[in-house]
Amino acid sequence: QQQVKQSPQSLIVQKGGISIINCAYENTAFDYFPWYQQFPGKGPALLIAIRPDVSEKKEGRFTISFNKSAKQFSLHIMDSQPGDSATYFCAASLNSGYSTLTFGKGTMLLVSP
Amino acid sequence: NAGVTQTPKFRVLKTGQSMTLLCAQDMNHEYMYWYRQDPGMGLRLIHYSVGEGTTAKGEVPDGYNVSRLKKQNFLLGLESAAPSQTSVYFCASSYSVSYNEQFFGPGTRLTVL
Repeated sequence: QQQVKQSPQSLIVQKGGISIINCAYENTAFDYFPWYQQFPGKGPALLIAIRPDVSEKKEGRFTISFNKSAKQFSLHIMDSQPGDSATYFCAASLNSGYSTLTFGKGTMLLVSP
Repeated sequence: NAGVTQTPKFRVLKTGQSMTLLCAQDMNHEYMYWYRQDPGMGLRLIHYSVGEGTTAKGEVPDGYNVSRLKKQNFLLGLESAAPSQTSVYFCASSYSVSYNEQFFGPGTRLTVL
């Protein structure tokens, strides 16, 4: 059972455009939603994260939008740059006990010059 | 401060051979994780540890064993490698499991022939 569904699998955006990646979750007890960025040949690294008590979090050109009632959250990359070309993973976890991260399957983003 | 390191970086095995992947972290993190990454499958948790001397099964534990004899090290073993274990393996560590940032190593690319 896939608990975090991510779409699209791949995305091509022109330089300067907006990249949007969506995730949907099933477990209403999830309360921590991070996004990880992975460049080719490297390990993933935390990009930005949100808790469900806010509907939006912005860090530079990266914004997470969170819709608790729809059980969806999305990553928006404004003014996308070729250097943003990477694979992006959404994830979710519980804030209780020894909860671990459940990752989406990833989105490969290519920003064309 | 090296962060999370993994050895080896690459390895080719024949079916039935055994090997151990080593993960080391110098951040004094309590929690450590082993993931495998396959195309289109995202990151799947194999085993994790919530402290020295403890281990727990993740989503895909079959065919793997782990040990955490020292806080800074987390070993992943394959007793009898199978072609289905061809993958990129990532180790990660975190200070806690709640609202935590997981720091990933650079990965080990394993091919089983």
